[in-house]
This record gives sequence, C-alpha cells and structure tokens, in this order.
Amino acid sequence: ETGVTQTPRHLVMGMTNKKSLKCEQHLGHNAMYWYKQSAKKPLELMFVYSLEERVENNSVPSRFSPECPNSSHLFLHLHTLQPEDSALYLCASSQELAHYEQYFGPGTRLTVT
Amino acid sequence: DQQVKQNSPSLSVQEGRISILNCDYTNSMFDYFLWYKKYPAEGPTFLISISSIKDKNEDGRFTVFLNKSAKHLSLHIVPSQPGDSAVYFCAARPISGANNLFFGTGTRLTVIP
Repeated sequence: ETGVTQTPRHLVMGMTNKKSLKCEQHLGHNAMYWYKQSAKKPLELMFVYSLEERVENNSVPSRFSPECPNSSHLFLHLHTLQPEDSALYLCASSQELAHYEQYFGPGTRLTVT
Repeated sequence: DQQVKQNSPSLSVQEGRISILNCDYTNSMFDYFLWYKKYPAEGPTFLISISSIKDKNEDGRFTVFLNKSAKHLSLHIVPSQPGDSAVYFCAARPISGANNLFFGTGTRLTVIP
C-alpha cells in the first residue's frame, strides 16, 4: 500500500451505533489530520495530530473521538451520531505539522440513519 | 463565514483551450495558497501552490496567479485535456501559528473532447 489509505470506504450506521474510521499513512509523515466534507460545504478541519499528540480540536462535538496510537495510524471513533453528521470524512498527512502540502486519503462516506 | 470562496461550481471547456479557475479570499493573513484536484472516489491531490511573496508560479500546463490587492487567485490550465476533468479546490493557509488549511467549495471542471 502506498500513500494514505482509509477504511471503510462506505459506512452506514444508526444513531445508537458505535463505529470507528481508520486511516493509515505509508509516507513516513509526522502529522495527521481529520477533515469533514459535507455536501456543498468546504472541507472542515476536525483534528490535528503531530507525533501522536493532538494539537488541534476545532470545536468538534464529543461524539467524535480521535485516537492516534502511532504516527502512521489515526482513528476516528464515532458514537451516538446525528443524521447531520452524514458526510465524507477525509484523513490527510503531512511531512511535518507546519508543512503546507497535505496528502489525502480517499475518504469514508458516512451515512447516519 | 467562508474565508475562501470559489464562486463557480462548474466550468466546461473544450479540449485544447485554456481553463481558468478562480478563487477569492477574505483573510489578509493568508500567506500560502494551494490548488488541489479531486477525482471521484479519490481524495484531493496536491497540484500547485504559491507563496504570497510571488504573483505567479508555473508547473508545466498549470499556472497559478496571485493578486494580493484583489485577494484573488486563479489557476490556468493550458492546453486543457480530458484527463483534467475533476473538481478543483483552492486552499489557503494563515501566517505561521495555525495548523489549518481553509478550503473553497470546489469547481468541477469538465474538458470536452
């Protein structure tokens, strides 16, 4: 595998379910990001990790819980989501935290029913 | 309020002609700008960037122009090819201290053979 991978690619979950999104980067990068893209809206940054430490949390509801066990893996744990949380969730990585160029995964299309 | 705007949701261009994608921003503290390209079912991929100290950056068929006084940047693709058909996102980064990239909503480019 090369680049940034995300699993699953599609997920349908009920509002009472608990699920996790997984991201893995094979680029040796030190920073990883979660973005949310809702229909007709720009990408919104959710979380930023640098060397497994969370450095930014952009006012994201607690029903989204990130985890970064090492610099190659990033998870987004989901619980008691709302239908308005349905969106494309994109993971990205960059060489360093301040590095401008970010490499994106293909995203997970999440539908909350 | 959106800080990066792409006011044209779509653009169609004949193969071989020039494609011009536009982006406006409101925050004068942005100092670095990027263009990303996204194919269906894939994550955005970095295309070209420009620092605020320049007004032009060229890479093959792709040229980005920056007009700081107008807070406007544009991406020129010439000659346009059918493989260029994708959604193009403009992104901007504030002066150091922030970990965020602010994205536009994207412009879907269709190059007609």
